[in-house]
Amino acid sequence: AQSVAQPEDQVNVAEGNPLTVKCTYSVSGNPYLFWYVQYPNRGLQFLLKYITGDNLVKGSYGFEAEFNKSQTSFHLKKPSALVSDSALYFCAVTGANNLFFGTGTRLTVIP
Amino acid sequence: DAGITQSPRHKVTETGTPVTLRCHQTENHRYMYWYRQDPGHGLRLIHYSYGVKDTDKGEVSDGYSVSRSKTEDFLLTLESATSSQTSVYFCAISESDRENQPQHFGDGTRLSIL
Repeated sequence: AQSVAQPEDQVNVAEGNPLTVKCTYSVSGNPYLFWYVQYPNRGLQFLLKYITGDNLVKGSYGFEAEFNKSQTSFHLKKPSALVSDSALYFCAVTGANNLFFGTGTRLTVIP
Repeated sequence: DAGITQSPRHKVTETGTPVTLRCHQTENHRYMYWYRQDPGHGLRLIHYSYGVKDTDKGEVSDGYSVSRSKTEDFLLTLESATSSQTSVYFCAISESDRENQPQHFGDGTRLSIL
């Protein structure tokens, strides 16, 4: 069965510092992995996806994610955090007609 | 933003009453989904549709039914609401069911059942 895990409920980072939001996955077959962001009172917004190919995937708003097959991880990264990046982040993996989501990580960027 | 409108955005109702949530899309996408979001669970799929009058169950479908009579509208009905169905409900759409396609989400309906 497909699943993802986000081991950190909360991540705090100072503005201007690099940020990492962690995700590990468990899949049968090739993984199709996604990152979404949710701002207060809004739906989820698609950030980026990994299908195949380059292990470093670039997405919206300066975010990127690193796919690591040996560690079964797909961590979200950004070189320099902005206060406006504060939000709830979800990792997800596709299965049969379904997206399986992690439990979310709340990112707070401290001015 | 994808053209997805959910209505109502907020609703408070009583246990035992029927409730219908509406998702309307202007993208002409074939696939539509209903999720619920609960703390500690992320989002979980309730039902999805792969075309007009074509629907199937997700992982948490008990107590919910859906209907899709037009491409643009996907309705979620709680037949007899219970307090455990208090949640935030999200509709999503996608152009295809290919596993590499992202889904696009509406802004949600916050439902409270007293």
